[in-house]
Amino acid sequence: QVQLQESGPGLVKASETLSLTCTVSGGSISSHSWSWIRQAAGKGLEWIGRIYPSGSTNYNPSLKSRVTMSIDTSKNEFSLRLRSVTAADTAVYHCARGLAIFGVVNVSHYFDNWGQGTLVTVSS
Amino acid sequence: SHELTQPPSVSVSPGQTARITCSGEALSNQYVFWYQQKAGQAPLLVIYRDSERPSGIPERFSGSTSGTTVTLTISGVLAEDEADYYCQSTDSSGSSVFGTGSKVTVL
Repeated sequence: QVQLQESGPGLVKASETLSLTCTVSGGSISSHSWSWIRQAAGKGLEWIGRIYPSGSTNYNPSLKSRVTMSIDTSKNEFSLRLRSVTAADTAVYHCARGLAIFGVVNVSHYFDNWGQGTLVTVSS
Repeated sequence: SHELTQPPSVSVSPGQTARITCSGEALSNQYVFWYQQKAGQAPLLVIYRDSERPSGIPERFSGSTSGTTVTLTISGVLAEDEADYYCQSTDSSGSSVFGTGSKVTVL
């Protein structure tokens, strides 16, 4: 069973950069896609973006201008950087493994393994 | 934009059937996935590809689709099924989109 564990500072100052790492164990990061998903307190889930072992990325258009994801297959980990954070970026950040289903017309992505999540608070 | 709408809350008595809908214009062309999230826990995949159950998910969880509306059905609800449930799909650009979420309360 693949396990994912998020790590990084729990407190970030407004206007600075949020940086998190997800370490994958029990399986190789060299297959599937890997995503970051966040959840503000009392709110729903928001997909941030995904990265493939090749380094190719897809980002949520609403966050694309501030997000960078990277992957280190030698360490079996991937990372998130979110620039210019505000209080609205305060949330629990989850990393997740992504799978893809190829339909007749489109590709559908979903998440079969999740990390427990880490709370990041943006302070003013 | 690709929006997925769910009812905010669903209340059901133990042993009864809970139905949670998820609607969106693009759902007729995309598979839908469902996640259960209990308080303080990570989401858990309970349905994939509209109606399939991952290994370990009880048979009382089922999914169905009709046009632009998909439904998660929990038959014979147990107290342990009380949780938030989210549908999820993929839009035409490849972005993953989650539904607004539904809180299932077992009375």
